[in-house]
Amino acid sequence: GAVVSQHPSRVICKSGTSVKIECRSLDFQATTMFWYRQFPKQSLMLMATSNEGSKATYEQGVEKDKFLINHASLTLSTLTVTSAHPEDSSFYICSVRGASGELFFGEGSRLTVL
Amino acid sequence: SQQGEEDPQALSIQEGENATMNCSYKTSINNLQWYRQNSGRGLVHLILIRSNEREKHSGRLRVTLDTSKKSSSLLITASRAADTASYFCATGWTGNQFYFGTGTSLTVIP
Repeated sequence: GAVVSQHPSRVICKSGTSVKIECRSLDFQATTMFWYRQFPKQSLMLMATSNEGSKATYEQGVEKDKFLINHASLTLSTLTVTSAHPEDSSFYICSVRGASGELFFGEGSRLTVL
Repeated sequence: SQQGEEDPQALSIQEGENATMNCSYKTSINNLQWYRQNSGRGLVHLILIRSNEREKHSGRLRVTLDTSKKSSSLLITASRAADTASYFCATGWTGNQFYFGTGTSLTVIP
């Protein structure tokens, strides 16, 4: 299956700053990547679908100006949490879709906003 | 909502016992997948069952799908302490999007 690398695994920042999370598909060319958010002991919430070379598709209720997604190449998608606030603290996970329809996930990035 | 729901929310068993968890969903699906998540980690794909399949096996895992009842079950046989994790079902319906259930937290006691 595909190997997905996510960086950083943990980040702590001050309120009002922006944080960038990278998602790399190491052995798989991904025209599409998915960004999820997970609160403690809860399910994954699909935030947006990242499309290589075009705009991301955001799920209802997700602020696109707050969560900027860039998918500049077939192996890299980035999620930038702009002007982060404590309520943005969460576990963010990216994934790519394999040829058989399964999802391969990164290890996740835990964001803590102070 | 397209989200599935797992049942039970939490399950605690002794090592060697079988663990069964269920997933119910609301919309038509193309396939249903099960994933495992260890605490603080990403998800790992376990098994995919297509809408025209009724049962699938992979090692100690057995998945069933009943599209008429919109439900699936995951059976882990001869459980091990290393099986302790959260288990999620994900329903694939249109395009590339997948929606995850609420998860079952499994604890296997050595």
